Amino acid sequence: DAKTTQPNSMESNEEEPVHLPCNHSTISGTDYIHWYRQLPSQGPEYVIHGLTSNVNNRMASLAIAEDRKSSTLILHRATLRDAAVYYCIEAQGNTPLVFGKGTRLSVIA
Amino acid sequence: GAVVSQHPSWVICKSGTSVKIECRSLDFQATTMFWYRQFPKQSLMLMATSNEGSKATYEQGVEKDKFLINHASLTLSTLTVTSAHPEDSSFYICSASGTNRQNIQYFGAGTRLSVL
Repeated sequence: DAKTTQPNSMESNEEEPVHLPCNHSTISGTDYIHWYRQLPSQGPEYVIHGLTSNVNNRMASLAIAEDRKSSTLILHRATLRDAAVYYCIEAQGNTPLVFGKGTRLSVIA
Repeated sequence: GAVVSQHPSWVICKSGTSVKIECRSLDFQATTMFWYRQFPKQSLMLMATSNEGSKATYEQGVEKDKFLINHASLTLSTLTVTSAHPEDSSFYICSASGTNRQNIQYFGAGTRLSVL
């Protein structure tokens, strides 16, 4: 079973920032925090990951709480193409990812 | 990022036939690949871990004789659904991580299987 908890759904207006929360209260010290997203009828797509420090890439930013028990994926300007299910996953080594239900993000034009 | 190619993207077959799905890592070597299945409005469920040169490891409840996995090279894993039945209709997705220690996974686009 997935170890992370996320809201089932969120809604955002186009061009607005979106903050997607995730709780991972039982995360171990060596687990990375990964975020993936899945667009309709496609395989998941890697978004970003981190261990302790906040991370930025061309797709998003990841803010990790100091105690690592929660994190927030930040989309700086949501577009219609960002509508997807976003998954927050604890990951370590070369092990399979365990997907929870994720957060379904709707973007309103 | 790395690219994983999955083929075919969709397939329709008659009940009782077998279907083979290919998963290729195009620009990296993958000693391990993973196969997932996703039913409508549900999350991805791991079916098996495919190891190059050895037998696959199946999750509980997944029939190894029905879902044959072959990982013959560092860039190719195949999943064969044998004697498919309508209840096998699903979205099958593969992934691979290469050698990165941080376990970033790259996913295929998925194969939608419809068994009539």
